[in-house]
Amino acid sequence: SYELTQPPSVSVSLGQMARITCSGEALPKKYGNWYQQKPGQSPVLLIYKDNERPSGIPERFSGSSSGTIVTLTISGVQAEDEADYYCLSADTSGLWVFGGGTTLTVL
Amino acid sequence: QLVESGGGLRHPGRSLRLSCVASGFTFDDYAMHWVRQRPGKGLEWVAGISWNITIIDYAASVKGRFTISRDNAKNSLFLQMNSLRTEDTALYYCAIYSTFFHTFDVWGRGTVVTVSS
Repeated sequence: SYELTQPPSVSVSLGQMARITCSGEALPKKYGNWYQQKPGQSPVLLIYKDNERPSGIPERFSGSSSGTIVTLTISGVQAEDEADYYCLSADTSGLWVFGGGTTLTVL
Repeated sequence: QLVESGGGLRHPGRSLRLSCVASGFTFDDYAMHWVRQRPGKGLEWVAGISWNITIIDYAASVKGRFTISRDNAKNSLFLQMNSLRTEDTALYYCAIYSTFFHTFDVWGRGTVVTVSS
């Protein structure tokens, strides 16, 4: 079955840049999307179609894509960015798959 | 807004039906999906249904046991869960698929399903 691979955890100092990667064989052909989930809350869409940001999402969140990897970048990490982050994409059959999730710790 | 209901405690092998009632948007314009999250684990897509019910998909883990359906007249989405297993224990979210974003946009708060003997 298709898998999207994320690092389980990323740590970054307050104000620094954080990068979270998501790799999958179909990503050159399928969009990658990113969600933020804080404890006890529903996921929130951060990035769609690899690099687009919905209105209301801070500019420090950005997305990029290169080959089989999509990347979420958080520039100038804030304390409130501490959360779990998930990538989402589809396999070649169009079935949806989430990455395993990355816990971002702000030091 | 999406509000899920119907969660509860069931023994393995039993059934449960989840509901998701939508408001504030034209329900029958949108495909809808179910996503679950096992305790302390990540998100897992479960099933999706197109606005006109012509396209229905399931994750391999639930195919043949779960049935997704919708009633556009009642702005409602359903998930019939049969032959429940302990690994189906999770928080179940319904979510809207946005054709603008090409992904899941709005999520409900979820309903908890516990399968245990």
